[in-house]
Amino acid sequence: NAGVMQNPRHLVRRRGQEARLRCSPMKGHSHVYWYRQLPEEGLKFMVYLQKENIIDESGMPKERFSAEFPKEGPSILRIQQVVRGDSAAYFCASSPRGRREQYFGPGTRLTVT
Amino acid sequence: SQQGEEDPQALSIQEGENATMNCSYKTSINNLQWYRQNSGRGLVHLILIRSNEREKHSGRLRVTLDTSKKSSSLLITASRAADTASYFCATDARNTDKLIFGTGTRLQVFP
Repeated sequence: NAGVMQNPRHLVRRRGQEARLRCSPMKGHSHVYWYRQLPEEGLKFMVYLQKENIIDESGMPKERFSAEFPKEGPSILRIQQVVRGDSAAYFCASSPRGRREQYFGPGTRLTVT
Repeated sequence: SQQGEEDPQALSIQEGENATMNCSYKTSINNLQWYRQNSGRGLVHLILIRSNEREKHSGRLRVTLDTSKKSSSLLITASRAADTASYFCATDARNTDKLIFGTGTRLQVFP
């Protein structure tokens, strides 16, 4: 049973470009969460999605960031017009319905040059 | 604001010693979880303790929860060099599914 998969593992973008981060949850998991981790800090919640629904986006910046979890395919975190401050590790987690444990992917390390 | 604050920020011990990390939080919770993160890697779920539980064990891990003090501790007994990692507590408040993470404790175990 494969764990949570994220790709790419590393992504380098120039300022102003777009970044697309993908997350495939564990099989049977219908809940997806995105977190951001700055160096030497803990993870900060960004958004919680279920299939085709955004449940809680209270941690998402108001501009340039969006997330989706379509009926088919992975969840996508999209950052438009990236800036240096977006450089961080972005982690995706999934959980099955009714359970509280979240299982994390290996993360995508975004570097904005 | 950050829900969990961990103490100490960093801890260095010798193999075989016990390591204790503490976590404090601010609001009522459903559960508290502990995660481990090896350098540059994703998080690994260690243990979940519910708000109505006081203590839980898993192998060499022992977690306590004191809801009156809004604090938890993680004890790793007989530590090994492979336990070297950052350890985070995470809480989920009532009526929400998101996790609020502490700042973490960096544990180094010397062989």
